[in-house]
Amino acid sequence: KAGVTQTPRYLIKTRGQQVTLSCSPISGHRSVSWYQQTPGQGLQFLFEYFSETQRNKGNFPGRFSGRQFSNSRSEMNVSTLELGDSALYLCASSPGSWDAGETQYFGPGTRLLVL
Amino acid sequence: ELKVEQNPLFLSMQEGKNYTIYCNYSTTSDRLYWYRQDPGKSLESLFVLLSNGAVKQEGRLMASLDTKARLSTLHITAAVHDLSATYFCALLNYGGSQGNLIFGKGTKLSVKP
Repeated sequence: KAGVTQTPRYLIKTRGQQVTLSCSPISGHRSVSWYQQTPGQGLQFLFEYFSETQRNKGNFPGRFSGRQFSNSRSEMNVSTLELGDSALYLCASSPGSWDAGETQYFGPGTRLLVL
Repeated sequence: ELKVEQNPLFLSMQEGKNYTIYCNYSTTSDRLYWYRQDPGKSLESLFVLLSNGAVKQEGRLMASLDTKARLSTLHITAAVHDLSATYFCALLNYGGSQGNLIFGKGTKLSVKP
């Protein structure tokens, strides 16, 4: 089985722009979660989508949004980028929702640099 | 404020030795997760602990959860160099109908010959 794929892998944007990141889960997985990792704030959970519905959510401002399509692929959008949004963005998929105990499988991440 | 605290944050071990990483948290929850991250790499899910007294083992790693003490431990037995990585614990906290996964700062483990 192919693993979790994320595109693009690297991205440079400027402040005020918006960005869309994509995550393709492992075939058959219905849950996709997104995470942000920065040197200062560490790992933070953004949100989880399961069968196109947001099930769980972290404490991020409304500039961060996501969606999941019927084929389970997910996108994350960040509007009005700030310098502090520079981070490694990870997505993970699982067969069911991870809060029920399913193992998550992580993608390689998208490294976003905001100038 | 909900806190998830790991200690130690840095751990240098010799091969063959045993050690324990501690994950304390400040609210009630029965869902605790452990992850591993190799330098420059993505995350790997290690263990999911879903109830008080849960114990999971994989190779030289064993994780346990004590919800009454608000403590999870990751025990390393007879460490080998391949275990060198950063280990994160994370707590699932529900506020209303949705949950937020709160991570600890991570424990950077270095296993030396």
